[in-house]
Amino acid sequence: DAGVTQSPTHLIKTRGQQVTLRCSPKSGHDTVSWYQQALGQGPQFIFQYYEEEERQRGNFPDRFSGHQFPNYSSELNVNALLLGDSALYLCASSPQDRGREQYFGPGTRLTVT
Amino acid sequence: GIQVEQSPPDLILQEGANSTLRCNFSDSVNNLQWFHQNPWGQLINLFYIPSGTKQNGRLSATTVATERYSLLYISSSQTTDSGVYFCAVGGSQGNLIFGKGTKLSVKP
Repeated sequence: DAGVTQSPTHLIKTRGQQVTLRCSPKSGHDTVSWYQQALGQGPQFIFQYYEEEERQRGNFPDRFSGHQFPNYSSELNVNALLLGDSALYLCASSPQDRGREQYFGPGTRLTVT
Repeated sequence: GIQVEQSPPDLILQEGANSTLRCNFSDSVNNLQWFHQNPWGQLINLFYIPSGTKQNGRLSATTVATERYSLLYISSSQTTDSGVYFCAVGGSQGNLIFGKGTKLSVKP
């Protein structure tokens, strides 16, 4: 049973550029959440997708957007990158019922120079 | 919003020692999870424990939902237990709110 997968593993971008990160959920899961983890901090919730729609959003600007595909996989897009966007981006999947256990992927480490 | 506080922030142990990590939260929750983050950043699920007590090998956890706290017990610690331990709670909308973590270092 494959767990949550993310790609790419590492990414280096320049300020002002745009980036797309990808996530495939655990088998049997249909809900995908994205988190940002800055160095030395706990992960912060960005948004959650269910049935191809954004179901909930954390305190992140509109530069952060996402998409969920019919096969439940998801993308996170960040436009106009800032140095402060450098972080580990984590994807989590869970069954649709709110409150169910979430499983995390290995993350994508984004560096903005 | 819900606040999550973890203590202690740092913990240094000798191999073989026992430890207790604490997580306090400010409101009722329908999800509570404990994670171990390894040096490569992977969050490993330890327990899904919105209430009650669970055990898995040398690790056990207890959540007292009415008093809004959870405890993670590590017995006979090993160097491979080193890393950051996170407590995360879920609100009614399904997102997880993380504490700042406890950094555990186990010395041989």
